[in-house]
Amino acid sequence: EPEVTQTPSHQVTQMGQEVILRCVPISNHLYFYWYRQILGQKVEFLVSFYNNEISEKSEIFDDQFSVERPDGSNFTLKIRSTKLEDSAMYFCASSVDSDTGELFFGEGSRLTVL
Amino acid sequence: GENVEQHPSTLSVQEGDSAVIKCTYSDSASNYFPWYKQELGKGPQLIIDIRSNVGEKKDQRIAVTLNKTAKHFSLHITETQPEDSAVYFCAASKHDYKLSFGAGTTVTVRA
Repeated sequence: EPEVTQTPSHQVTQMGQEVILRCVPISNHLYFYWYRQILGQKVEFLVSFYNNEISEKSEIFDDQFSVERPDGSNFTLKIRSTKLEDSAMYFCASSVDSDTGELFFGEGSRLTVL
Repeated sequence: GENVEQHPSTLSVQEGDSAVIKCTYSDSASNYFPWYKQELGKGPQLIIDIRSNVGEKKDQRIAVTLNKTAKHFSLHITETQPEDSAVYFCAASKHDYKLSFGAGTTVTVRA
């Protein structure tokens, strides 16, 4: 069964460093998303991406964050100048379309900022 | 924005018994209500969803009910099995992709 894959599964970084989380969405999917879950809190929407541009973003997704689809298979989330409060599980998801499609989630990348 | 509340936070049931998880939402414009199951070390996986033009939907041992007037929806798992043990999340959305999640329910099925 096709699946969304994420790397790394766990990354530890120092405050102020830049982090790139990588995702390989399901191959025929056109819509890509990032969600995050801070420990003990709800899963939160960060951003949606379609046709090589951001289609919607939450208020969490400020200038510190950026997304990119650098090639035909990868979808990345870059976090610049990481803060302690960026520590969370980051989930990538993809769907065939945005109106009726199921979101398929990856297993998540745990980011720990020290 | 949308606020989804989920209860209970933990649920322990005897194998074979039923489990019920309840969620309420705040935005009356929400029209899509999926349920996700998350097993340890894995991402959330959709198990069933319901749209606002339907009051109930069933898939084998899993059913979801929706009451739009009261703005609440529920997940029912019958004849629970040990493999049903997981964290279950409800969510609500006006757009299928921008989900507002509940806080999750940890379900433990006792053998």
